Amino acid sequence: EDQVTQSPEALRLQEGESSSLNCSYTVSGLRGLFWYRQDPGKGPEFLFTLYSAGEEKEKERLKATLTKKESFLHITAPKPEDSATYLCAVQRNNNAGNMLTFGGGTRLMVKP
Amino acid sequence: EAGVAQSPRYKIIEKRQSVAFWCNPISGHATLYWYQQILGQGPKLLIQFQNNGVVDDSQLPKDRFSAERLKGVDSTLKIQPAKLEDSAVYLCASSRESGRESYEQYFGPGTRLTVT
Repeated sequence: EDQVTQSPEALRLQEGESSSLNCSYTVSGLRGLFWYRQDPGKGPEFLFTLYSAGEEKEKERLKATLTKKESFLHITAPKPEDSATYLCAVQRNNNAGNMLTFGGGTRLMVKP
Repeated sequence: EAGVAQSPRYKIIEKRQSVAFWCNPISGHATLYWYQQILGQGPKLLIQFQNNGVVDDSQLPKDRFSAERLKGVDSTLKIQPAKLEDSAVYLCASSRESGRESYEQYFGPGTRLTVT
């Protein structure tokens, strides 16, 4: 059974204080690892897909990296508008259904 | 490009009543998903359609939940009868045709269901 664990559950940062969110996963053959951002009262918004260990992707202040067991979402000099819940999900290879298995999310709060 | 549309946005019902949710995916997206997101948790897949056929419904509580996607576009998710533990946000998502390629899923705003 695929498992995704995100840590910490909640993270408070001061504006400009860089940090990382962790996503540990167990899956029998990874097709892709996805990062989403979810604001209160809204659906998840797609950020990145990573396919293989060593891959990195960047978008504004966010950078996602992938190893064989974990993914990290690095937030550089965050701003209050980066406050949201960040969700990680894995998709298994040979999964014709493309099902995503999500972690519980990390709730990020950035104070001005 | 219009996003995934869902209605209603909020619904409050009593236990044992029935409820239905509607979803209109992004135009041209062949694959449609329904997820359940309980407060404080990540979304959990309930059912996946490709065009108007079911690809995966292994996590759908079939004794009370049903879903259909007529003509391969809009979809409806129904709960009958509802239980207290069904209180959650029901998210609809769509993606380009699934298969060997891994396409990102785009989510709608969700329907928040409260069962009292």
